[in-house]
Amino acid sequence: QSVLTQPPSASGTPGQRVTISCSGSSSNIGSDYVYWYHQLPGTAPKLLIYRDNQRPSGVPDRFSGSKSGTSASLAISGLRSEDEADYYCAAWDDSLSGSWVFGGGTKLTVL
Amino acid sequence: QVQLQQSGPGLVKPSQTLSLTCAISGDYVSSNSAAWNWIRQSPSRGLEWLGRTYYRSKWYQDYAVSVKRRITINPDTSKNQFSLQLNSVTPEDTAVYYCARDRVKGSPTVVASYGMDVWGQGTTVTVSS
Repeated sequence: QSVLTQPPSASGTPGQRVTISCSGSSSNIGSDYVYWYHQLPGTAPKLLIYRDNQRPSGVPDRFSGSKSGTSASLAISGLRSEDEADYYCAAWDDSLSGSWVFGGGTKLTVL
Repeated sequence: QVQLQQSGPGLVKPSQTLSLTCAISGDYVSSNSAAWNWIRQSPSRGLEWLGRTYYRSKWYQDYAVSVKRRITINPDTSKNQFSLQLNSVTPEDTAVYYCARDRVKGSPTVVASYGMDVWGQGTTVTVSS
């Protein structure tokens, strides 16, 4: 089981706004930043959001991240067909000797 | 443009050692603003971070507890690459393995991440006799 909890699936129609949640604990999300990655089938994950709400250059402002306490959310507005992918949250976990932990992933379907 | 190119065998026998290499172009393995990671992905375990190496006046390695007794990540400055060795593999180690650069700042004791922004192409490794 993944340390961070995400819904297995989400869906929306083109133009809609969808959100994907990520729940953790005080040793990860509650004490460090959250990162979001998306992954198309057969390809490597790609950084989407870093440090809770920062977008790397080239990532459209349709993607936004937020965090409150031990939970975080990724919002995608103006949904497009090319947004259909798997989305993962990640955070550094301070327990034991420290490690990156990931969510189990959310498959986003654009209807 | 930073690129990571992975190489290594796709089939490893149980109890043997899995060895992969990640060649870096456009950056340096000894960079003070990067940490070099290995991550794997399987249907049963999802994305799983295995460990990292980084340089801050000397080399540091951090490993996931789940593989700590079996893993070694080594930098190779002469070839500008880093490697993964995972000993005593079992079928549970079957996965797609990725190397990734984490943009970081800070001291050896506080590694502040700006995200894993460059990934290798992935190597499918099957553990089977």
